[in-house]
Amino acid sequence: TQLLEQSPQFLSIQEGENLTVYCNSSSVFSSLQWYRQEPGEGPVLLVTVVTGGEVKKLKRLTFQFGDARKDSSLHITAAQPGDTGLYLCAGMDSNYQLIWGAGTKLIIKP
Amino acid sequence: DTGVSQDPRHKITKRGQNVTFRCDPISEHNRLYWYRQTLGQGPEFLTYFQNEAQLEKSRLLSDRFSAERPKGSFSTLEIQRTEQGDSAMYLCASSPLWPGAIRGKGTQYFGPGTRLTVL
Repeated sequence: TQLLEQSPQFLSIQEGENLTVYCNSSSVFSSLQWYRQEPGEGPVLLVTVVTGGEVKKLKRLTFQFGDARKDSSLHITAAQPGDTGLYLCAGMDSNYQLIWGAGTKLIIKP
Repeated sequence: DTGVSQDPRHKITKRGQNVTFRCDPISEHNRLYWYRQTLGQGPEFLTYFQNEAQLEKSRLLSDRFSAERPKGSFSTLEIQRTEQGDSAMYLCASSPLWPGAIRGKGTQYFGPGTRLTVL
């Protein structure tokens, strides 16, 4: 059974601070997606990383895919209250099915 | 096309009633997925279709749940004899699996979900 461990599960920080969320697995994924979800809404795709070692930037968000395509991280610089939400990572298996992390609930206090 | 749509957005029903949800995927996306999500957790896979064929159902999926995608476009998810434990957000996602796609192949795009409350 493939598992994707996401940490931390909960993070509450002050506006302006930096943070990193991690997703780790013993399995290799063909790609990995990061989503952000707000209460009462569906997950919104932030990024797909495909190549081992790939780094993608989306404004203040930096996503990295591990060299072995087993792990990924999301780094947010100078967090803002608008970044508050549930962040979900999902690895894609060989059948294009997603293996989900448990999510990181992020609260940014003004 | 503006993305995946789901209807209704909210449904409140009494225990024992049947409910049906609809999902309209992004045009030409050949895969369609149904998930269930409870508060603060990641989505839990229920079933998926490739075109009109239902290829996999979760072993956790009760016989009270059934899904269809009759023409390979929209899909419906029906829950019969609802129970309070069925209360959750039901999410639909679609993805492209064109043979020529490389980057982004299989990436899933989600609808806004249907929030079900069973009283």
